[in-house]
Amino acid sequence: GQQLNQSPQSMFIQEGEDVSMNCTSSSIFNTWLWYKQDPGEGPVLLIALYKAGELTSNGRLTAQFGITRKDSFLNISASIPSDVGIYFCAGQKDSSYKLIFGSGTRLLVRP
Amino acid sequence: NAGVTQTPKFQVLKTGQSMTLQCAQDMNHEYMSWYRQDPGMGLRLIHYSVGAGITDQGEVPNGYNVSRSTTEDFPLRLLSAAPSQTSVYFCASSRGSQGSIGTEAFFGQGTRLTVV
Repeated sequence: GQQLNQSPQSMFIQEGEDVSMNCTSSSIFNTWLWYKQDPGEGPVLLIALYKAGELTSNGRLTAQFGITRKDSFLNISASIPSDVGIYFCAGQKDSSYKLIFGSGTRLLVRP
Repeated sequence: NAGVTQTPKFQVLKTGQSMTLQCAQDMNHEYMSWYRQDPGMGLRLIHYSVGAGITDQGEVPNGYNVSRSTTEDFPLRLLSAAPSQTSVYFCASSRGSQGSIGTEAFFGQGTRLTVV
């Protein structure tokens, strides 16, 4: 079953607002990745995190690797309509190449 | 700049039919995987491969077979399609490593499969 708990499931926000979503697990991960999926497309990588405590930005997006290695969050500042989509977290555990995905956060932005 | 290519993009099958979903990558990646995406459930790993000739089961392998005869190709076979296999299927590839840039997976555009 799902080993990553991603929240919230969905968000409907006003353009210009900031957004925050997170993933938590009872297991330790050595890598956290954040993906965005547009309708009808495959997921596209936004940010990759490899060290506990790491904070990384990509334009208006900022993500952090939790210090306990069991969680990560993604922030989007000053949202715009093209931010609409589904955002997935994914984690990789020690001694495995496999990526485990969260169930996604669906973001809708009201112009 | 092909990346990961999946065919077909759409498919309708009758219950009991078999078919193969194709996946090819041109990035010389060692690690390839298949996921299915169902509403509210994220991406669930079906099968994966860490290199040519090596495959293993993921979280939801039942009803699917894979093989990896070359680095580039990783087809997914449905042996006897069932309505429960109606889903969107994604193939992904990565360099295959832990805790580094090689972890980052690149996805195809998906195959939308309906089993009636």
